[in-house]
Amino acid sequence: GAVVSQHPSWVICKSGTSVKIECRSLDFQATTMFWYRQFPKQSLMLMATSNEGSKATYEQGVEKDKFLINHASLTLSTLTVTSAHPEDSSFYICSLRGPGGTYEQYFGPGTRLTVT
Amino acid sequence: DAKTTQPPSMDCAEGRAANLPCNHSTISGNEYVYWYRQIHSQGPQYIIHGLKNNETNEMASLIITEDRKSSTLILPHATLRDTAVYYCIVRRGRNQGGKLIFGQGTELSVKP
Repeated sequence: GAVVSQHPSWVICKSGTSVKIECRSLDFQATTMFWYRQFPKQSLMLMATSNEGSKATYEQGVEKDKFLINHASLTLSTLTVTSAHPEDSSFYICSLRGPGGTYEQYFGPGTRLTVT
Repeated sequence: DAKTTQPPSMDCAEGRAANLPCNHSTISGNEYVYWYRQIHSQGPQYIIHGLKNNETNEMASLIITEDRKSSTLILPHATLRDTAVYYCIVRRGRNQGGKLIFGQGTELSVKP
């Protein structure tokens, strides 16, 4: 299966600062990537769909000015949490569609964000 | 995309088969049934998917009823490492823009 990496794996930041999370596809080019958020004891919530070279599509209720997504290349998408607050503390997971005709969707290991 | 209903939790003895049910009574003809699992604090892992026919791979078997309104994921010989949250997801095909929308899943505990 595809290898998806995320960096950092965990991060602690102060309230009001911005944090950037990277998602990389290590063995194929991904035109579409997804960003999810997961609070403790809850399921994954889709935040946005990121397409290479175009603006991301955000799910209803997700603030696009707060969660900036950049899909600048076929192997890299970034999520920037701007002016982070404690309620943004969560587990952020990226995902990408498999190549060609595969139906699988591969997930990264996740990034644990804690805002103090 | 159709919604799914799963029991919140299940237990299974190590070495026995784990049968995880999923109801998706509003599934459409062009929607697939996918199963993923998430081990604690990790990203989800793909297990299997199907449209109408039963499917089997090295991880599990997927049994879909004839009317497609429900399915069962079978782990034939559960091990302690299979302890995870299992998500049943119904999604349109890849070329139809389907997104993976996660429900609450079933927390499977495999016990010695």
